[in-house]
Amino acid sequence: DTAVSQTPKYLVTQMGNDKSIKCEQNLGHDTMYWYKQDSKKFLKIMFSYNNKELIINETVPNRFSPKSPDKAHLNLHINSLELGDSAVYFCASSQGSGGAREQFFGPGTRLTVL
Amino acid sequence: EDQVTQSPEALRLQEGESSSLNCSYTVSGLRGLFWYRQDPGKGPEFLFTLYSAGEEKEKERLKATLTKKESFLHITAPKPEDSATYLCAVQPTTSGTYKYIFGTGTRLKVLA
Repeated sequence: DTAVSQTPKYLVTQMGNDKSIKCEQNLGHDTMYWYKQDSKKFLKIMFSYNNKELIINETVPNRFSPKSPDKAHLNLHINSLELGDSAVYFCASSQGSGGAREQFFGPGTRLTVL
Repeated sequence: EDQVTQSPEALRLQEGESSSLNCSYTVSGLRGLFWYRQDPGKGPEFLFTLYSAGEEKEKERLKATLTKKESFLHITAPKPEDSATYLCAVQPTTSGTYKYIFGTGTRLKVLA
């Protein structure tokens, strides 16, 4: 049973294209996140969603648009891809608010922009 | 500004050679500090949550401790399968409950 799943695992595309990454969690969590991990392995939060509502948007370009159709899904759409968007993107989920909660991460999507 | 710094960047140990990884943090208030393990090509895997100074948690060969300024991940008699990148993250009280700040990790290699 995969707790947090992402598709696709690898994504290779040309500059200027539009692409989407999908994420699903079956843990019953109410909060989901998108992270970007660069080549130096630095993991930086991009978005946080709680009960389908956007909570955190960390100075991410408008070309990135998350969408949460329900609590179990959080997708990431990227318009007009640039070379600097190449990275590994991780989806994560956690349960609840009001306290320190561990996150559960998906396997990542390696995006390569040519 | 909230910040997390991990050291060393990389560490090579012989099997059985115990050592410690450091996570120094600067936050105005700490809701929790987390340790994760990340294997190549995979997502981070949760290890521990520490909430307040003086707290300790153990799991197999790993023991995490917390002070007001830093956390240590002690690895006792490591085995080659402990090789991974270990990430530290903090959840500040000033940013609601939905923001986490990660360090850049320590890449651990345990040689047989």
